[in-house]
Amino acid sequence: EDQVTQSPEALRLQEGESSSLNCSYTVSGLRGLFWYRQDPGKGPEFLFTLYSAGEEKEKERLKATLTKKESFLHITAPKPEDSATYLCAVQAPMDSNYQLIWGAGTKLIIKP
Amino acid sequence: GAGVSQSPSNKVTEKGKDVELRCDPISGHTALYWYRQSLGQGLEFLIYFQGNSAPDKSGLPSDRFSAERTGGSVSTLTIQRTQQEDSAVYLCASSAGTTRQYFGPGTRLTVT
Repeated sequence: EDQVTQSPEALRLQEGESSSLNCSYTVSGLRGLFWYRQDPGKGPEFLFTLYSAGEEKEKERLKATLTKKESFLHITAPKPEDSATYLCAVQAPMDSNYQLIWGAGTKLIIKP
Repeated sequence: GAGVSQSPSNKVTEKGKDVELRCDPISGHTALYWYRQSLGQGLEFLIYFQGNSAPDKSGLPSDRFSAERTGGSVSTLTIQRTQQEDSAVYLCASSAGTTRQYFGPGTRLTVT
């Protein structure tokens, strides 16, 4: 069964303390892996799409990487405004090219 | 508007009542998705509309749930005879293709 698991469930960091969030997946035929950010009371906001192992994408303090089994979202010198829930999703079966399988998310809290 | 809008933002209803949730997608987006998000859970796919094609209803949890999309634009998700387990945030997303999805702010449904 296709599955996406995110860890940790929650992560508390001090401002400036770098860390990484993990998204591991078991799907057949990965078509794409997506990272979204979700603030309380809002819908998810798109961050990155990764398509193949070895690919990396960067945006400000965030960097996403992809291997054949997992993706990492690296956060460098985070600020309190980076606090949010980070969601990972994968697009898998070739015949369902619109469906995403979502992880439960990692709640990131950055303390000033 | 520039983004996906949903109404109402909050809905409190009594068990057994019917509710209608509305989604206005981004103009020109042919694909529209409904998801359900329960506390601490990943997004649960409900239904997908693409242009004039028959919708994919495979994610609807029971026959109490239905959705329609009029004129390829606005969509309404209807839940009949609501149950307490229907309490969740209902998210709508639209996309121009089959990859990046743009989400609305969601409707928080509480069934008492």
